[in-house]
Amino acid sequence: DAGVIQSPRHEVTEMGQEVTLRCKPISGHDYLFWYRQTMMRGLELLIYFNNNVPIDDSGMPEDRFSAKMPNASFSTLKIQPSEPRDSAVYFCASSTSGRNHEQFFGPGTRLTVL
Amino acid sequence: LAKTTQPISMDSYEGQEVNITCSHNNIATNDYITWYQQFPSQGPRFIIQGYKTKVTNEVASLFIPADRKSSTLSLPRVSLSDTAVYYCLVGGYNKLIFGAGTRLAVHP
Repeated sequence: DAGVIQSPRHEVTEMGQEVTLRCKPISGHDYLFWYRQTMMRGLELLIYFNNNVPIDDSGMPEDRFSAKMPNASFSTLKIQPSEPRDSAVYFCASSTSGRNHEQFFGPGTRLTVL
Repeated sequence: LAKTTQPISMDSYEGQEVNITCSHNNIATNDYITWYQQFPSQGPRFIIQGYKTKVTNEVASLFIPADRKSSTLSLPRVSLSDTAVYYCLVGGYNKLIFGAGTRLAVHP
């Protein structure tokens, strides 16, 4: 298996622009997670899905952030409009209940908002 | 969710055993203890998980005393490639709360 796939790996945009991050979980995994990592705040859980349904979005910082999972093999995290303070590394992870719920993380997307 | 406390940083040398202790005084009955490892520019990677006593896998051992208020991750014979940040997490399966972690530096 190729593991969790994220795209793009790097994104540089200007303040006010819409940003869409993409994630393909490991096939067969029924949980998908979005995290954000910064030096100041560390690694934070933003939202997670189970069987494509959002279960907990309490970590989503504000209405500018939205996440969708239209099917079992694809999820997006959208920021509209983007702000400089959104600059961070965004990780997607997936897991299955059948293996200690071990979460497999993708390589991350490094977002820079100018 | 239980808060965890672990050392900010540790130093070791190749070939030594490293023990990283994590305190979690408010751990709940249903909480599991999980450790992740993160290398620079990579996502975290699962190391080990346990509920009580001792768990061992091909990478590490996890020691949990009877009161479960702390746990110790043991890395046998570390190498330079074990230099990373190690996170101790306590809670349910899905809502992982990452603290600052322990930055382990392994020296030649």
